Amino acid sequence: GIQVEQSPPDLILQEGANSTLRCNFSDSVNNLQWFHQNPWGQLINLFYIPSGTKQNGRLSATTVATERYSLLYISSSQTTDSGVYFCAVANSNSGYALNFGKGTSLLVTP
Amino acid sequence: AAGVIQSPRHLIKEKRETATLKCYPIPRHDTVYWYQQGPGQDPQFLISFYEKMQSDKGSIPDRFSAQQFSDYHSELNMSSLELGDSALYFCASSSNFGEQYFGPGTRLTVT
Repeated sequence: GIQVEQSPPDLILQEGANSTLRCNFSDSVNNLQWFHQNPWGQLINLFYIPSGTKQNGRLSATTVATERYSLLYISSSQTTDSGVYFCAVANSNSGYALNFGKGTSLLVTP
Repeated sequence: AAGVIQSPRHLIKEKRETATLKCYPIPRHDTVYWYQQGPGQDPQFLISFYEKMQSDKGSIPDRFSAQQFSDYHSELNMSSLELGDSALYFCASSSNFGEQYFGPGTRLTVT
């Protein structure tokens, strides 16, 4: 299957700081999604971004499909941003099922 | 907007018992996926259905089976439960193999 590597694995930020999370993948993809898993376990869709750039409030994401990586930017972080951020990808070879990275665990302190 | 519904949200079973998890996809979505997330792990794909037909299988144990019904809801049946089956089980749905939308999950605890 498609290999997905996320970095860094862990990140501690002070409230107000900015951060960049990276996702590398091993094959061309039809689907790339970023999720935030909150402390209650819910997987919240952040971006559907197989290519290009999108922004939603303090969050933005860029996928460079030809170079097989995606970046998630968090600006002016808040304590509610804490949790695990997953990158997941899919293509026709995977039956369009998502292959998840191991995630980046983010803790934002007051 | 309607979201993916899963029931129950929490389930406690003993070893060797059976469990049935239910999923109601977003209306007019043609594909349903099941994922299992163990403690501290990333979600792993189990099985998917496209227009009520099984379309792909991942790392689903033989003790598990699933189906999708005429009303498009799906059920994951788990038999001879083991302690290692304790996990968060997600159902997701999509249209035309696009963005997947996840339900809130069912947290299964096997004691």
